[in-house]
Amino acid sequence: AQRVTQPEKLLSVFKGAPVELKCNYSYSGSPELFWYVQYSRQRLQLLLRHISRESIKGFTADLNKGETSFHLKKPFAQEEDSAMYYCALSVGSGGYQKVTFGTGTKLQVIP
Amino acid sequence: DAGVTQSPTHLIKTRGQQVTLRCSPKSGHDTVSWYQQALGQGPQFIFQYYEEEERQRGNFPDRFSGHQFPNYSSELNVNALLLGDSALYLCASSLSLRGRAEAFFGQGTRLTVV
Repeated sequence: AQRVTQPEKLLSVFKGAPVELKCNYSYSGSPELFWYVQYSRQRLQLLLRHISRESIKGFTADLNKGETSFHLKKPFAQEEDSAMYYCALSVGSGGYQKVTFGTGTKLQVIP
Repeated sequence: DAGVTQSPTHLIKTRGQQVTLRCSPKSGHDTVSWYQQALGQGPQFIFQYYEEEERQRGNFPDRFSGHQFPNYSSELNVNALLLGDSALYLCASSLSLRGRAEAFFGQGTRLTVV
């Protein structure tokens, strides 16, 4: 069975400081990893996925298969980054996907 | 495009009752998933519907069942409600042709069981 672990419930950083939100997963096959974000009073939305290797809003995440990690990083935190962040792992494909979410990390950027 | 819409937004039910939650997927999407999010927790996968059949299921009892209609909309039914079923229920839709596609989420239905 797959599992996603986000060890920090809350991460507080000062504006302009680097951010790293940790995510570790367990799955024996080849998963796809996502980061979803939920801003205050908004719905859950995709931030980025490992397969696209994009940088979204200054965030990046690299899949490390050796360490089974998919940490989310940003060099300089902004106040608007304050939100709940969820790491998610997807197995299967198309109409047969099963997605496992972590418990989430609340990022608080202090002005 | 209104995106994924869920109804109702809030619901209060008594223990032992049955409840039906509804979801309309984002335009063009054919796959619907349901999640339960308890307070302080991440979303937990209940099941996924594609081509009107349940294709994947999480670790939830048979009291949780669903349906997908020909227009791709979906319902989640929960029978014999327990206090522990109180949670935010999220619906997400995706397009099957995109493989491991991103999910687009609705705002959720807040269910309170008293």
